[in-house]
Amino acid sequence: GIQVEQSPPDLILQEGANSTLRCNFSDSVNNLQWFHQNPWGQLINLFYIPSGTKQNGRLSATTVATERYSLLYISSSQTTDSGVYFCAAPNDYKLSFGAGTTVTVRA
Amino acid sequence: DAGVIQSPRHEVTEMGQEVTLRCKPISGHNSLFWYRQTMMRGLELLIYFNNNVPIDDSGMPEDRFSAKMPNASFSTLKIQPSEPRDSAVYFCASSIAGGDTQYFGPGTRLTVL
Repeated sequence: GIQVEQSPPDLILQEGANSTLRCNFSDSVNNLQWFHQNPWGQLINLFYIPSGTKQNGRLSATTVATERYSLLYISSSQTTDSGVYFCAAPNDYKLSFGAGTTVTVRA
Repeated sequence: DAGVIQSPRHEVTEMGQEVTLRCKPISGHNSLFWYRQTMMRGLELLIYFNNNVPIDDSGMPEDRFSAKMPNASFSTLKIQPSEPRDSAVYFCASSIAGGDTQYFGPGTRLTVL
């Protein structure tokens, strides 16, 4: 299956700071998903982004499929952004998840 | 729009008991997935249904696990007998088709004592 690596594994931010999370994948994909798992355990879809850039409020994502990576940007971070961010790449129906980046935003 | 619905949200049971987890996918979605999340192994796909038919059950850990999808709006994951190592969060997800965006339910946190 596709190997997915995320970095950094952990990130501690002061409220209001910006950050970038990275996702590398081992093979060509026709899709990439970013999820946020909040402290209550819910997995929330952030982006479905096979290529290019998308923005949703303070979050944006860029996927460069030819170079096999995707970036998730968090701007003006808030405490509610805390949690684990996963990227996942599909091989047909099967999603391969990265190990996640644990983000802690301090007030 | 209701998302994926799972029940129960929490389940505590004793070793040897039967456990049944339930899932209602998003209406109109033809693909349904059961995942398990643990600290050690992360998120693992257990089984994938398409149009109510099991397509890939290679992730089901052993015969104690079984899953059914009797119709387009309902699926169950059953563990019988349960063991402490089955303790995990079990997620159900659905998508319009197999390779499309998957939407996850809130999960069932299972604790087997």
